[in-house]
Amino acid sequence: DGGITQSPKYLFRKEGQNVTLSCEQNLNHDAMYWYRQDPGQGLRLIYYSQIVNDFQKGDIAEGYSVSREKKESFPLTVTSAQKNPTAFYLCASSNREIGNEQFFGPGTRLTVL
Amino acid sequence: DAKTTQPPSMDCAEGRAANLPCNHSTISGNEYVYWYRQIHSQGPQYIIHGLKNNETNEMASLIITEDRKSSTLILPHATLRDTAVYYCIVGYTGANSKLTFGKGITLSVRP
Repeated sequence: DGGITQSPKYLFRKEGQNVTLSCEQNLNHDAMYWYRQDPGQGLRLIYYSQIVNDFQKGDIAEGYSVSREKKESFPLTVTSAQKNPTAFYLCASSNREIGNEQFFGPGTRLTVL
Repeated sequence: DAKTTQPPSMDCAEGRAANLPCNHSTISGNEYVYWYRQIHSQGPQYIIHGLKNNETNEMASLIITEDRKSSTLILPHATLRDTAVYYCIVGYTGANSKLTFGKGITLSVRP
């Protein structure tokens, strides 16, 4: 089955700890994205990567970091500098050709206690 | 800045067509119109997209006005499972491009 996997589905961390969220895709897509969603709100773009070893900041990158060492993987680290990290985090991927749609993973719900 | 305007909510009866409107008056010539939906606590699901022409697939139809300033997503026979938040987005994926998701419209399908 082709698709995007995010693990874990639920994650709990203590305040002040860094945490890394996993995102893996086997769709052979070049582009990958990380979004954050707060209750009752739309999605906000954190970081995106169009190709391996390259990524750009989205609209709310402060307090987050990413890496793109492999085409299939785009992990997101929520650092202790992120002031309000509790949220629903969504990963997506797409082909780089103009017009192609994004495919989303099931999401990770992070709760910082 | 929001590129699209959608009403916050609407409802329709099961089995009837659901027509979801979207205004995108500042759309540029090479931007697509995308529709996604999100069922509670799940990742968004791609529905359909188009550039200028109307589009239809197994899930829905997309009607884009000739001036491209607005569009309508049509679910021809709504079911209870179609209850979700529907996002209308303009933009394009490709090198250094991204999509901006607003709050969407909440569609409630009633029995």
